[in-house]
Amino acid sequence: DVQMTQSPSSLSASVGDRVTITCRASQDIRDYLGWFQQVPGKAPKRLISPASILQSGVPSRFSGSGSGTEFTLTISSLQPEDFATYYCLHHDSYPLTFGGGTKVEIK
Amino acid sequence: EVQLVQSGAELKKPGESLKISCTVSGYSFTNYWIAWVRQVPGKGLEWMGVIYPGDSNTRYSPSFQGQVTMSADKSTTTAYLQWSSLKASDTAIYYCARHDVHQRPGEYWGQGTLVTVSS
Repeated sequence: DVQMTQSPSSLSASVGDRVTITCRASQDIRDYLGWFQQVPGKAPKRLISPASILQSGVPSRFSGSGSGTEFTLTISSLQPEDFATYYCLHHDSYPLTFGGGTKVEIK
Repeated sequence: EVQLVQSGAELKKPGESLKISCTVSGYSFTNYWIAWVRQVPGKGLEWMGVIYPGDSNTRYSPSFQGQVTMSADKSTTTAYLQWSSLKASDTAIYYCARHDVHQRPGEYWGQGTLVTVSS
């Protein structure tokens, strides 16, 4: 099974900061990776899938990159509504697996 | 408009059975995979498995194989997740989520169902 290692597990940042979150896969998953945002008390929301394709309606400050085993989610200028937990999810083969999550908190 | 509406919160005792639902509308139920995702309170997301309502083909995560059963009813456009004997460790929020047309997961999500198992 593919294991997804996400880092960091949490970070503190200020409004306007550039934020980068990384997911590493235990084997080559091509670009079969999505990024999700979860605000407390709400269902997750897909931001990017596959690795670099922004979901319709998602602000352009979000971007994704990577292929193979290393992937990155970047928020170019953090906004107040971006404080949330972010997860990666691979869909290269069964079983799918999530990364452990990155909680983005206000500094 | 695509919608996935899940059944309400449940409070059950250990050993009891349970079936929760995810009723969809706004698209062709039989043509898209639906996944189930678990979230223990305060913890991360866990992919449990997926079902294709068109033929009820299912794929389970090894962690959940034999612990839950996924099913789908085409007549009511509803997907189900069921347990035959609940444990306290099944306490969690359960989400259903539809794949997209390219079979990529999580395009649309239900609102979640909180299942609490306590004696």
